[in-house]
Amino acid sequence: EAGVAQSPRYKIIEKRQSVAFWCNPISGHATLYWYQQILGQGPKLLIQFQNNGVVDDSQLPKDRFSAERLKGVDSTLKIQPAKLEDSAVYLCASSFPARAAFSEQFFGPGTRLTVL
Amino acid sequence: DQQVKQNSPSLSVQEGRISILNCDYTNSMFDYFLWYKKYPAEGPTFLISISSIKDKNEDGRFTVFLNKSAKHLSLHIVPSQPGDSAVYFCAASDLSGNTPLVFGKGTRLSVIA
Repeated sequence: EAGVAQSPRYKIIEKRQSVAFWCNPISGHATLYWYQQILGQGPKLLIQFQNNGVVDDSQLPKDRFSAERLKGVDSTLKIQPAKLEDSAVYLCASSFPARAAFSEQFFGPGTRLTVL
Repeated sequence: DQQVKQNSPSLSVQEGRISILNCDYTNSMFDYFLWYKKYPAEGPTFLISISSIKDKNEDGRFTVFLNKSAKHLSLHIVPSQPGDSAVYFCAASDLSGNTPLVFGKGTRLSVIA
């Protein structure tokens, strides 16, 4: 079974530029997550989708970050404009939702963003 | 405010010995705890979990212990192998799945041959 796919794997941009990351979850996984992992920190949830609807985006900096999952499968996370503090690894994860229970999340390899 | 704390950034252990990684949490609403393992340039992978109704869960060489009164959990790896060298993240949520997964900062384990 194919895992969670992410691209690009690495991206270097100048501050104030825009960048987009793509994620394709495991087939059949209705729940998709985007995490930000800053160096030396654990992953922090940015946004959670259930199919194409947003479940939780309370930690997403909405003035510059946006995410969509239009057809309920793959997803795009965008930063516009980027700041130096956005340098991090952006992880996508997916899970098969279980009714009223915790469901295991499977992570992709991440996209390492460097903002200069 | 860190709800999940891993106070040891790194740990070195000799091959064959026991590795003990520690984690503390502050949020009493957490009742499900997980350990993830992460190799460089890869995403975290699930290792082992425990719910608050248990105080121990074992899977091969990996055992997780939970002390609810102390809000503390630990991961034991016995015996440690060089392939166990990775960053280990402690994470917490709730059994209903309503609480987002909260991660600690991680502990880098080095197993020396």
